[in-house]
Amino acid sequence: GESVGLHLPTLSVQEGDNSIINCAYSNSASDYFIWYKQESGKGPQFIIDIRSNMDKRQGQRVTVLLNKTVKHLSLQIAATQPGDSAVYFCAELNGNKLVFGAGTILRVKS
Amino acid sequence: DAGITQSPRHKVTETGTPVTLRCHQTENHRYMYWYRQDPGHGLRLIHYSYGVKDTDKGEVSDGYSVSRSKTEDFLLTLESATSSQTSVYFCASGGGYGYTFGSGTRLTVV
Repeated sequence: GESVGLHLPTLSVQEGDNSIINCAYSNSASDYFIWYKQESGKGPQFIIDIRSNMDKRQGQRVTVLLNKTVKHLSLQIAATQPGDSAVYFCAELNGNKLVFGAGTILRVKS
Repeated sequence: DAGITQSPRHKVTETGTPVTLRCHQTENHRYMYWYRQDPGHGLRLIHYSYGVKDTDKGEVSDGYSVSRSKTEDFLLTLESATSSQTSVYFCASGGGYGYTFGSGTRLTVV
């Protein structure tokens, strides 16, 4: 069935380093992808999105890369800060269904 | 996000009782979603709606029903609550791109 999965459940990085969070998706028909950040006790917050006709999109300190050939999505966070500590989810839109992966915990060490 | 609200924020109910959670959005979004999130897990899709009176099942729909009689409201009903439905429930809405989430409802079934 449809699924979106993440390679690494927990990622620890040193403050100031770059972070890379990966995501594999299984449905080649998905045409829109979103990264969300979720802090404890809160709902998911939109970070950045990308459509399937693109392979890269940049935001403020964040970049999303899409490789449709291998059905892989990544989120790069530049100069990771303590405030970036959270759970990160990728999501894919297939038709009308928005499906989430299991999530990656990002821990930033000071 | 001020454009989407969930009520109640917390609820404790007894096994076997009916429970209705409400999601209200002011963005005139066509699409609305209900998810549940359990400790150590991602967001699992329960039901979603792609228009007034148009709904469909997600991956964990058993024991849940939904209704959407107005664009702005999407109701999730547990007809007879069970302890396995203790969870945090999130609602989301979107217009096709850019989906935003409510702050969640913490439901405890005792």
